[in-house]
Amino acid sequence: SQQGEEDPQALSIQEGENATMNCSYKTSINNLQWYRQNSGRGLVHLILIRSNEREKHSGRLRVTLDTSKKSSSLLITASRAADTASYFCATDHRTGGTSYGKLTFGQGTILTVHP
Amino acid sequence: DTGVSQDPRHKITKRGQNVTFRCDPISEHNRLYWYRQTLGQGPEFLTYFQNEAQLEKSRLLSDRFSAERPKGSFSTLEIQRTEQGDSAMYLCASSLGLAGASFTGELFFGEGSRLTVL
Repeated sequence: SQQGEEDPQALSIQEGENATMNCSYKTSINNLQWYRQNSGRGLVHLILIRSNEREKHSGRLRVTLDTSKKSSSLLITASRAADTASYFCATDHRTGGTSYGKLTFGQGTILTVHP
Repeated sequence: DTGVSQDPRHKITKRGQNVTFRCDPISEHNRLYWYRQTLGQGPEFLTYFQNEAQLEKSRLLSDRFSAERPKGSFSTLEIQRTEQGDSAMYLCASSLGLAGASFTGELFFGEGSRLTVL
């Protein structure tokens, strides 16, 4: 079963606006990652944040992590029509031993950016 | 670097038939993963290889499923006696990791193999 829950399930915005997606999880993590998936395609890694980090930036992306609330958010600033895709958070829950990349994915947020 | 490639991209089969998917990871990557994704859901972990050794299998991987990575390079995922519930996208991913060292990086996914069981 999938641990992650994402909110909202779908988000529709205009080009230039910011998009915020949230992810919650249930048990302790080693790291949390965000991936993007265009319709019918594979997943592309966007950003990784470790459990001891609180915020991370990459270009127009900003990720925050609150381990006390077991939640994360992904902010995409100045969105473009090309950002239209599904966005998934993925958590690595292996904290007691060597992490090897087994990820638990949420259900995803479908983002539509209108030109 | 040609990325992770999967073959075939689409497969339509009748219930009860066997199907096999192939994954070629990024050449220097020693870790290989199979995930399954059904419509409207996120991917679910199936199994993981470090080099040729299959180190973990999900309970989702019933005895009709078998995965191999015989020489630590490409991998195959075979589904025997397919059922309609097997219809999904099968995603392969790879990564580079040192034995015994914690993984702290990204997975590189292929485009997936979409299976439709009629």
